[in-house]
Amino acid sequence: DIQMTQSPSPLSASVGDRVTITCRASQSISSSLNWYQQKPGKAPKLLIYAASSLQSGVSSRFSGSGSGTDFTLTISSLQPEDSAIYYCQQSYSTPLTFGGGTEVEIK
Amino acid sequence: QLQLQESGPGLVKPSETLSLTCTVSGGSISSSSYYWGWIRQPPGKGLEWIGTVYYTGSTYYNPSLKSRVTISIDTSKNQFSLKLSSVTAADTAVYYCARPTGARAFDFWGQGTLVTVSS
Repeated sequence: DIQMTQSPSPLSASVGDRVTITCRASQSISSSLNWYQQKPGKAPKLLIYAASSLQSGVSSRFSGSGSGTDFTLTISSLQPEDSAIYYCQQSYSTPLTFGGGTEVEIK
Repeated sequence: QLQLQESGPGLVKPSETLSLTCTVSGGSISSSSYYWGWIRQPPGKGLEWIGTVYYTGSTYYNPSLKSRVTISIDTSKNQFSLKLSSVTAADTAVYYCARPTGARAFDFWGQGTLVTVSS
C-alpha cells in the first residue's frame, strides 16, 4: 500500500495568511493526488484533483502543486470559513489511501 | 445535481453483518463513465477506502477488508450496497458512499451514516 504522510498538524494561522500543507507519498504517484476539505459533521469536499486542477465551484484561494512524492496545498489568503481538516488522497493505485489529515485553525 | 444518500441500521451486533445502501438521485447509476464507492471514517480518525463498484458489477476492494466485504449494484433501483461481515467494534465508523471520477477523486458524497458495533 502507498502511505500518505501530511504535515504539519495542527496548523494555526491568522486570517489573511498564506497557508501551505504538505503531503508526501511513500513512493512516486505521478500527479495522482487529490485534496479534500472536511468540516465537523460533514462529508469531505473535493478541492483539487490530479495534483493541481481546481474542482468546479471551489474558491481560487485554493491551489495545489507537486508530482512524484511531494505535494502541497496552498490557501493564498486564509479566511475564517477555511477552518477545517484537510486530507490528501492518492489515486495512483489501489488500495486508494488517504493522509492522516491536517487541521487548520484560525488564530 | 447528483445526490447520494446512505441508509441502513445504525447499530449492529458484534459478529453480525453490516448492510448499507446508497441511493443515487439526479443521475443514472448506469452511466458508463463512473464507478461508485464506499469510504469510512472511525470517530475522530481519518478516511479509509473500502471499495468501488462499476455499473457492470466489477468490484475493487481494499485488501485489508476484502475477505469480509461485498459491494453490489442494482441499476434498476439506482442503488449500490455494502455488506461487511463479522463486524467488531473496530468497524464502528461513519460510512460514506461517494462517486469517484475518472481520476479516482471523489467528487460527490453522501452525508454519511454512523454505524456503531455494540451488543
